[in-house]
Amino acid sequence: GAGVSQSPSNKVTEKGKDVELRCDPISGHTALYWYRQSLGQGLEFLIYFQGNSAPDKSGLPSDRFSAERTGGSVSTLTIQRTQQEDSAVYLCASSLGAGRSYEQYFGPGTRLTVT
Amino acid sequence: QQQVKQSPQSLIVQKGGISIINCAYENTAFDYFPWYQQFPGKGPALLIAIRPDVSEKKEGRFTISFNKSAKQFSLHIMDSQPGDSATYFCAAIKGYSGAGSYQLTFGKGTKLSVIP
Repeated sequence: GAGVSQSPSNKVTEKGKDVELRCDPISGHTALYWYRQSLGQGLEFLIYFQGNSAPDKSGLPSDRFSAERTGGSVSTLTIQRTQQEDSAVYLCASSLGAGRSYEQYFGPGTRLTVT
Repeated sequence: QQQVKQSPQSLIVQKGGISIINCAYENTAFDYFPWYQQFPGKGPALLIAIRPDVSEKKEGRFTISFNKSAKQFSLHIMDSQPGDSATYFCAAIKGYSGAGSYQLTFGKGTKLSVIP
């Protein structure tokens, strides 16, 4: 079956611009997670959704970062006023539900480059 | 505080050899330990996982060994093949036995190169 899909696969933006990254989870997966992967920091947790609610936003690095999920499916991660340190690969994962958070399946990621 | 430490950073193994990657964790609340395999340009793929009440789990050429008292676990890749060349991440989460955290805590990764 189809896995987690993310778009765009690559995004180059100028410093100060806003960007939106999209994630489409595996069909039937109610839990969705965003992570950031960078050379220096490895894989870092950003935010978790159960349905359309985000009970854990503990990893969002600043108030420039926000995320939403609609219809219990697609999620969008928005970064406002991008900075060069935001350059990274943004990964989305999904799981069957909160009770299966230990089995997360990742998408291919969006590589964000801020110039 | 790095809760999961992974070593080595990189590893070169001859085809047919055994690749061994080690991880150590600090948080005794973790109750599930997955390994992920990542190829360049792809997302991490769940490879194999273990719970702390099991000392070893084997799936094909991949084996996890778990030492609860030492808070260590390792991935062994038997008969390593060039197609195994990838970056491997160990991870830990508190979430298998009831409510817990929803975030995977990852090691820094090991880049494995299997040479013919």
